[in-house]
Amino acid sequence: AQTVTQSQPEMSVQEAETVTLSCTYDTSESDYYLFWYKQPPSRQMILVIRQEAYKQQNATENRFSVNFQKAAKSFSLKISDSQLGDAAMYFCAYRGGSGSGGSNYKLTFGKGTLLTVNP
Amino acid sequence: ETGVTQSPTHLIKTRGQQVTLRCSSQSGHNTVSWYQQALGQGPQFIFQYYREEENGRGNFPPRFSGLQFPNYSSELNVNALELDDSALYLCASSLPGTREQYFGPGTRLTVT
Repeated sequence: AQTVTQSQPEMSVQEAETVTLSCTYDTSESDYYLFWYKQPPSRQMILVIRQEAYKQQNATENRFSVNFQKAAKSFSLKISDSQLGDAAMYFCAYRGGSGSGGSNYKLTFGKGTLLTVNP
Repeated sequence: ETGVTQSPTHLIKTRGQQVTLRCSSQSGHNTVSWYQQALGQGPQFIFQYYREEENGRGNFPPRFSGLQFPNYSSELNVNALELDDSALYLCASSLPGTREQYFGPGTRLTVT
């Protein structure tokens, strides 16, 4: 079974600074997807960024980027120029790439990292 | 805004009762998954429905059941509620062939 580990229960960053959230995972599959989701107090789970395991290039979405190390099974999220609105719980999630008929949509989540942004 | 809605927002039930939670997906989203998120934890996969049939299930007992309807809405039913069922319940839907899941805002269930 796949597992996702987030070793930092809480992190804090000063506004405009950069912060990196860590995530490691365990899988025997070669084809899979990794995600970072943000969950603010409103509870809505929002997709931040996605990485396909077959892609060597690290994904980037504006101020958000990942460092994907496939051999090390590591998938960290870097937030640059942190803003007050970035404060939220961040979850790393894994999804297998195999399966048919929609059965491969199961997401396995880590326990989350609570990010605080200080003004 | 993901276009996925859930009702009700909050719900309080008594141990032993039954509850039905509802989710409405975007048109064309023929896969829906349900997750349970206990306080301070990441979401746990309950089950998934594809074209109105269950096609994947997590480590949850049979008293957790679901339905998916042709109009892209779905239900999560929980029988014989236990105190540990208190959690945020999230549904997520997907378009066929895409990688992302779009989450609803969740239903907060409290069992007393």
